[in-house]
Amino acid sequence: DAGITQSPRHKVTETGTPVTLRCHQTENHRYMYWYRQDPGHGLRLIHYSYGVKDTDKGEVSDGYSVSRSKTEDFLLTLESATSSQTSVYFCAISVFLDGYGYTFGSGTRLTVV
Amino acid sequence: GENVEQHPSTLSVQEGDSAVIKCTYSDSASNYFPWYKQELGKRPQLIIDIRSNVGEKKDQRIAVTLNKTAKHFSLHITETQPEDSAVYFCAASPNSGNTPLVFGKGTRLSVIA
Repeated sequence: DAGITQSPRHKVTETGTPVTLRCHQTENHRYMYWYRQDPGHGLRLIHYSYGVKDTDKGEVSDGYSVSRSKTEDFLLTLESATSSQTSVYFCAISVFLDGYGYTFGSGTRLTVV
Repeated sequence: GENVEQHPSTLSVQEGDSAVIKCTYSDSASNYFPWYKQELGKRPQLIIDIRSNVGEKKDQRIAVTLNKTAKHFSLHITETQPEDSAVYFCAASPNSGNTPLVFGKGTRLSVIA
């Protein structure tokens, strides 16, 4: 496989509840990213990490937080889910920050009702 | 920040014809330009990339060209086949590679048999 797994693959949750998505890698890559994909918007960066406990915001970070306590795991938390956060979420990893060698996970389809 | 525009948003071609997808970027310091293919329900996967010191790169039926002066790059697919049907994303690495990839909004390519 690609060395990156996301869980869960599908989730339905209610408005106002917290949700955590997990990205796990076995490649020991330094850089990890969370993107969301919506029709007509392509892939938009939510947050990214450049090392354990080192994270930064992306283009659409409002309402999301992340944590990286181990090299292999990058967690995305929706603090209080809203319907506008219904989306497909992709995690990605790379060797270099400039994107060379980007590998995406299989995605998590999140529905907020 | 970097802005990547991608055109067209949808493209239909007859099997065997060529397809061209164009992207423009705004950050003149961008130096890496990958293209990703996403089949229905799957993860985006890298199909070809080009760095700013190269004008053209080919890999079998696909090629990418880069015009740094005009700040645009294009994906060319020749002798299209039904399995080329997918969404294609361009991306650029702004700030000389010191910030994550910025993606275009995607082009849905349909190859009609």
